[in-house]
Amino acid sequence: KAGVTQTPRYLIKTRGQQVTLSCSPISGHRSVSWYQQTPGQGLQFLFEYFSETQRNKGNFPGRFSGRQFSNSRSEMNVSTLELGDSALYLCASSWKADSLIEAFFGQGTRLTVV
Amino acid sequence: QKEVEQNSGPLSVPEGAIASLNCTYSDRGSQSFFWYRQYSGKSPELIMSIYSNGDKEDGRFTAQLNKASQYVSLLIRDSQPSDSATYLCAVNVTPRMDSSYKLIFGSGTRLLVRP
Repeated sequence: KAGVTQTPRYLIKTRGQQVTLSCSPISGHRSVSWYQQTPGQGLQFLFEYFSETQRNKGNFPGRFSGRQFSNSRSEMNVSTLELGDSALYLCASSWKADSLIEAFFGQGTRLTVV
Repeated sequence: QKEVEQNSGPLSVPEGAIASLNCTYSDRGSQSFFWYRQYSGKSPELIMSIYSNGDKEDGRFTAQLNKASQYVSLLIRDSQPSDSATYLCAVNVTPRMDSSYKLIFGSGTRLLVRP
């Protein structure tokens, strides 16, 4: 069974640009959540999608957005990139949106903003 | 106050010893608790989940939960150098059947197992 797949693995962007990251969950998983990991702030929750609906959102500016498609694949977008957006972006999937369910992470996308 | 707190370490133990990692959380309504292991440059890997008070054992790993004290711990028996990693405590802060999923992570404890 394939794991969570994130593409691309690495990205270098310039300040002011926008970027789209992709996440394909484990087959059968319908909940996808996104996290940002930085050395200073650790792992922080961005948002969670289930059945194409955003169910929960973290404390990030509106430049961070996402969506989920009918096949459960998800994308997140960051507009007007800032240097501070450089981070490892992680996607996690679980088979349903229930607090007692385990979530599994993809390998992440390393974004560098220059 | 941080929602999930861990000692950043490093926690250094000799090979074969028991490593004890601790975590406290602030949201009394939390129902599910997870331990992830993260090697440098890699993504977090789920190693244990626990939902009820008491102990849960899986191989060399034991998770312990005390909801009254808002405390979760992870014991690693017979520690190996390959266990050297950062261990992240995560708490799902959404109520059951809320139809959403939100993990709050601690800052992680770095474990070093000396050969």
